Parts: sequence; structure tokens; C-alpha cells
Amino acid sequence: NAGVMQNPRHLVRRRGQEARLRCSPMKGHSHVYWYRQLPEEGLKFMVYLQKENIIDESGMPKERFSAEFPKEGPSILRIQQVVRGDSAAYFCASSPPTGNAEAFFGQGTRLTVV
Amino acid sequence: LAKTTQPISMDSYEGQEVNITCSHNNIATNDYITWYQQFPSQGPRFIIQGYKTKVTNEVASLFIPADRKSSTLSLPRVSLSDTAVYYCLVSREDSSYKLIFGSGTRLLVRP
Repeated sequence: NAGVMQNPRHLVRRRGQEARLRCSPMKGHSHVYWYRQLPEEGLKFMVYLQKENIIDESGMPKERFSAEFPKEGPSILRIQQVVRGDSAAYFCASSPPTGNAEAFFGQGTRLTVV
Repeated sequence: LAKTTQPISMDSYEGQEVNITCSHNNIATNDYITWYQQFPSQGPRFIIQGYKTKVTNEVASLFIPADRKSSTLSLPRVSLSDTAVYYCLVSREDSSYKLIFGSGTRLLVRP
């Protein structure tokens, strides 16, 4: 049973370009969460999704950021018109649809905006 | 959710027992205490979770006093590979996905 798979592991984008980060949850997990980590800081919650539904996006910036988890395929975190401040590690986690279950994290995608 | 406070860093030597204490004074009745470990360039990894008293697994023990305002993660006989950042989190049962990570404790294990 493969763990949470994120790709790419490293992504470099120029200011103004779009960044697409992908996350495939563990088999049997229908809940996906995205977190962002700035250097030397803890992870910050961004969004919680279930298949085809956004459950809680209270941590998402109001503009340029969006997330989806389609019926088929991986979850996508999309950042439009990236700026230098978007440079960070973005982690995806997944869990099964049971209460207070342990969340398993992926290896993360390190986004660098130049 | 209750804010957590833990030491910024700790040093230890191989073979020693390491205890990391976390304060969560405003913990609510239906909050759980969870500890995660993070190595550089990797995602956090679940270590242990508890509600009260003592919980033990193959990796660590978690001690929670009766008032639940603090908790202590105990790592027995640490090795160099235990060098990592350890995060103490408080999560609510009905929104356990919304993990609030603080700055964590950077544990350095020396030979």
C-alpha cells in the first residue's frame, strides 16, 4: 500500500506563472488536506477536501489559490500568478473516512518562485 | 483550539531517554493531544495520540496529567536517527483534520 504520493517533489516557477501540485491519497482514503510550511515554521492548514467537495477552505488565501479533488484522479492545488512569497513546502495528507483518524502526510512539493 | 507551547530545542545523547513537555492550558473537554515527528525535507509522521493518563506504543509514551493542561512525550533510548522536529498538537474530535502546528521542538541527538 503506497503512501501519500505528491508530485513533483520540486517545482520552480517564474513570477506570474501557474503552479500545479498533485496529491494522490493512500488507497482507501477519501479525505485530503493541504498544508503549507514556510522555512523554520510549522505547517499551516490550507484546505480539506473530500471527493468532489471542498469541506473547509478557511486556510486558503482569498486569491490565486484553488484546490480540487475530482471523482477520478489526484487532488490538485493550483496557484495562479505565483509571487516570491508563495515559495514554500506544500504538504498533502490523507485519512480514511472515520472520526479522528490518523493523517498520513506525503513528502511534500517544494515550490520555488524566482 | 488550544494553543500549545513547547521548548524550541533540546539536546541529548544516544541511549538517553528524552522527555519533551508541551503546555496546552486552554485544552477543551473534547480535544485530543497528538504528537508528530518531522525530518528535514519530509512530511510529518504521526507518533502517538492520547486523551488522558498514559499511552504507549512501540515508538514512544505519552503522559497526560489529570488536568490535561500539559503532556509529555517520552522517547526511550534515543538514537541519532531520532534527530528531528517534534510537534505537539491539540485537535478536536469533530475537526481533527485541522491540525494546528506550532514551531515544534528541534531535538538534536549527539553521539
